[in-house]
Formats: sequence, C-alpha cells, structure tokens
Amino acid sequence: NAGVTQTPKFRVLKTGQSMTLLCAQDMNHEYMYWYRQDPGMGLRLIHYSVGEGTTAKGEVPDGYNVSRLKKQNFLLGLESAAPSQTSVYFCASLGRGGRGNTEAFFGQGTRLTVV
Amino acid sequence: RKEVEQDPGPFNVPEGATVAFNCTYSNSASQSFFWYRQDCRKEPKLLMSVYSSGNEDGRFTAQLNRASQYISLLIRDSKLSDSATYLCVVNIPGGSYIPTFGRGTSLIVHP
Repeated sequence: NAGVTQTPKFRVLKTGQSMTLLCAQDMNHEYMYWYRQDPGMGLRLIHYSVGEGTTAKGEVPDGYNVSRLKKQNFLLGLESAAPSQTSVYFCASLGRGGRGNTEAFFGQGTRLTVV
Repeated sequence: RKEVEQDPGPFNVPEGATVAFNCTYSNSASQSFFWYRQDCRKEPKLLMSVYSSGNEDGRFTAQLNRASQYISLLIRDSKLSDSATYLCVVNIPGGSYIPTFGRGTSLIVHP
C-alpha cells in the first residue's frame, strides 16, 4: 500500500517554464488537496477536489491549475512559473486512518525552486 | 485574521518537562479538530484528533474549549524525539471537508 505518492520530489525551473506535479493515491479516497508550505506561513490550500472530475479553488489558487480526470490522480500545473512559486508542495487525500479517525494522508512533498 | 492561529515558538524545553501549546480558531461553527506533527523537511502526520470531552494518547493530551474557540495540546515527560513542529488543524465548515492548518508551533527538547 503506497498511500500518497508525489512526483517529482525535487525540481528547479526557470521563470516562465511550465511543469506538472503529479499526486497519486491508492486508497480510493474522494477528497484530494494541494497545499504549499512556505517558511513562517504554514500550509496554505491551493486547490482541492471532492471527487473525480471536480476541482475547486483554495486560499491561494492564482498561477496554478488542477485536474482530476481519474479518482486516484490529482495534477497540479504551473503554466508560467514565477520565483514567488518557489515552495514545498504537498498533496493530501482524506480518509479513515488506522485508529478510525478521518485524517489527511500526505505525500512526501515536492521541493520546487524557480530561478 | 487567519482562520487558525498558533504561537510559532520555538518552545525550548529540557527532557522530562511538560509543555503545552494552544491554538485558536475563528469560525465558531468548526466541527473537527486535530493536531498533526511535522518533522523537519517531512510531510505532516496525524498526531491525534481532538474530541469535545478531551482525549489522551499516552503522554499527549488534547482538549477543546468551544466557548473560547481554542484547542490545546499537552505533552508530558518530553522526549528528545518529540522535537518537531506541531500543527493545529481545523475543518472549516462550508459544505466540503477542508483541513485548514495553523502555521505550526516549533518544539525543541534538549538534554
């Protein structure tokens, strides 16, 4: 059981380049989320999805697009990267944990640097 | 004002100490509350849920005060391995389940 897997784990982009971050979960969860984490800012929600084919904006959606064509995958796209998008990106899915709680399961993160 | 507020710390305590963190939330209709732990450069992981009556898990005790809109985490007999950032998480109501994170409180336990 792989849980939540993010690819890539590290990436350096030049300003204006595009890229897609992939999040895959094998737990059949409906809800999936993309967060970014910056020093002193905590995790801020970029976009989320409540099921296959649905997406919605979070707190900081500008400059990002998402797609949820398959239930297990949630893609985050940067069309034209900017230095302000240098951050650590976490994907999460929501489901029942081992103790019966509803919890968010996170991927290992993607460290993105835009130069 | 942020939906979920935490003192960033750091809290610097010796091994064996008892330490407590608070977290306040702004939406009185919030229903679900959690503490997550995040180690340096790692993903957050659930530490414990917070129930209305308060709950304990070993050395960790979580409490909820709805009237004052805050939750707390108490760690007894601190270990070196407790050094981490503790994230307060609240599910903000509005139709969908959206875990909303505080900025985290840094704990450093020293020998």
